[in-house]
Amino acid sequence: AQSVTQLGSHVSVSEGALVLLRCNYSSSVPPYLFWYVQYPNQGLQLLLKYTTGATLVKGINGFEAEFKKSETSFHLTKPSAHMSDAAEYFCAVSDREDSSYKLIFGSGTRLLVRP
Amino acid sequence: DAGVIQSPRHEVTEMGQEVTLRCKPISGHNSLFWYRQTMMRGLELLIYFNNNVPIDDSGMPEDRFSAKMPNASFSTLKIQPSEPRDSAVYFCASSSQRLAGNNEQYFGPGTRLTVT
Repeated sequence: AQSVTQLGSHVSVSEGALVLLRCNYSSSVPPYLFWYVQYPNQGLQLLLKYTTGATLVKGINGFEAEFKKSETSFHLTKPSAHMSDAAEYFCAVSDREDSSYKLIFGSGTRLLVRP
Repeated sequence: DAGVIQSPRHEVTEMGQEVTLRCKPISGHNSLFWYRQTMMRGLELLIYFNNNVPIDDSGMPEDRFSAKMPNASFSTLKIQPSEPRDSAVYFCASSSQRLAGNNEQYFGPGTRLTVT
């Protein structure tokens, strides 16, 4: 069964520093890949997604992610953290061969941005 | 577009009472998902519908939980009787799955349920 691993339940960076949130998936067939962000007391919001084509995907708020098939990874990055980036981030996958189109979510990574 | 609408936003009830959570998906979306989020278990998929038909309810924790989607613009999640361990944030999400790869889900703001 498809699974998603997010390394690090909490990540702390200084304002202005690089943000790197890690995500690895388990399937041999590359799935559709997503990153969602959840701000306090809100629902999840799509940051970016990869379906096909260019492996470097740009999303909202300056975030981007790169699909690396050889590493079964889809890590999320942002060159310079802002205080407003403090939130919980979820990686999710959807199996291309599963007609249900369910999303399988990782356990989430809480990003803390220090002033 | 108003996005996914959930009501109520907060619900406090006593153990044993019936609770009904409501969701209005984005117009034109043909799939709807109910999730539960807790600190201990994270985000769990409870049930999802495709074209108003329940496809997979394997995530529904117990028979006390039931969900319906009588039409394309409305769904309910009911807990009867409620228990303190049902306290969580319940999210509804919808998506349009008519195009391959276009299965991103749009989430509502959630209903925070507290059962005392």
